[in-house]
Amino acid sequence: GAVVSQHPSWVICKSGTSVKIECRSLDFQATTMFWYRQFPKQSLMLMATSNEGSKATYEQGVEKDKFLINHASLTLSTLTVTSAHPEDSSFYICSAKRGTVSSYEQYFGPGTRLTVT
Amino acid sequence: SQKIEQNSEALNIQEGKTATLTCNYTNYSPAYLQWYRQDPGRGPVFLLLIRENEKEKRKERLKVTFDTTLKQSLFHITASQPADSATYLCALDTDKLIFGTGTRLQVFP
Repeated sequence: GAVVSQHPSWVICKSGTSVKIECRSLDFQATTMFWYRQFPKQSLMLMATSNEGSKATYEQGVEKDKFLINHASLTLSTLTVTSAHPEDSSFYICSAKRGTVSSYEQYFGPGTRLTVT
Repeated sequence: SQKIEQNSEALNIQEGKTATLTCNYTNYSPAYLQWYRQDPGRGPVFLLLIRENEKEKRKERLKVTFDTTLKQSLFHITASQPADSATYLCALDTDKLIFGTGTRLQVFP
């Protein structure tokens, strides 16, 4: 099966610092990766779509300068939360898409719990 | 405005019964609709996909229906077990996945 990993699984950081979260597709090449955010008892909200080698496409209301996304290879995308604040505390989940035909071939990582103190 | 709603925030049923979860949407015309399971503190796990021209899809104890006229999908788990307890999310597949609010299912012995 297709496996997507995230690192770290949880992180605590101080307000004002930056945090990088990695998303890797372990056994397939991902043409597209997606980053989601999920607040407690809420659904997943798409933040951005990232294609290998090109700039990420951000959803409305998501600050691209605050959430930096880099998709440097077909198996790795990173999300950097810059100058983190307590309101950025959330569960961040990535997914990776294999193939280009439909969203069917999309696999989710286990998520990263970010707590900003 | 565009909306995806899933029935009740929580659904409690007895083991062995059939659980039925609802997903209603407005102002979308998805080509596909997907259902996911999410356990606490984990990412979603894909369960089933149904295409707009399919009325019903089955996989083991799971069944999904898709009515594009009513703009509704029903997700059934037959012979439910306590291990089925989780949050179930529907997701509309346009050019990206848009998730519903989720229904937390609790199956008690």
